[in-house]
Amino acid sequence: SAVISQKPSRDICQRGTSLTIQCQVDSQVTMMFWYRQQPGQSLTLIATANQGSEATYESGFVIDKFPISRPNLTFSTLTVSNMSPEDSSIYLCSAGSGLGNEQFFGPGTRLTVL
Amino acid sequence: GENVEQHPSTLSVQEGDSAVIKCTYSDSASNYFPWYKQELGKGPQLIIDIRSNVGEKKDQRIAVTLNKTAKHFSLHITETQPEDSAVYFCAASMGYSGGGADGLTFGKGTHLIIQP
Repeated sequence: SAVISQKPSRDICQRGTSLTIQCQVDSQVTMMFWYRQQPGQSLTLIATANQGSEATYESGFVIDKFPISRPNLTFSTLTVSNMSPEDSSIYLCSAGSGLGNEQFFGPGTRLTVL
Repeated sequence: GENVEQHPSTLSVQEGDSAVIKCTYSDSASNYFPWYKQELGKGPQLIIDIRSNVGEKKDQRIAVTLNKTAKHFSLHITETQPEDSAVYFCAASMGYSGGGADGLTFGKGTHLIIQP
């Protein structure tokens, strides 16, 4: 299984600012994904981070709000732009090796927007 | 798109008893069904998964069953222990799409409480 780390682990941000979350995998992976988990809720897929091309966003999520980079097979970033209190959530990165369908998750970034 | 329903939302069982969590999905094209365990303050941990060409899979005290006709899959935990207390999520996806794993659609989660 892949080991995934995220930075920062948590942050408190002011309304209107942006935060970039980093996701690092300990081995090369085919697929990386970003999910959002609101407090006490389930996980919702934001987008698939494609290496070498634009991310693929799910319904309700747009690139201007959640720009994503995937410069190589072990790293991705998610930016939460122009934040509002409604963006307060846990943001989780996951990775899939492509050998099967398994996805492994990072520990998450807990974001609070004031 | 896919919709995954999960029941119950909370399940309390005596230590040593069995626990069963059930999920249904809507999209017949889904063919990969993982289960995750999430402890407080941590990311989800993959505990078992099943693919559509298999009806049942077991790993020690944990088993998953799949009924593709009914679009229904279940997690079974036997001989429950205090460390099994956590939130459990089921999920579904289209599985391998040529380039790798597909994004997951999650159920709402089950808070499993093991009473000593």
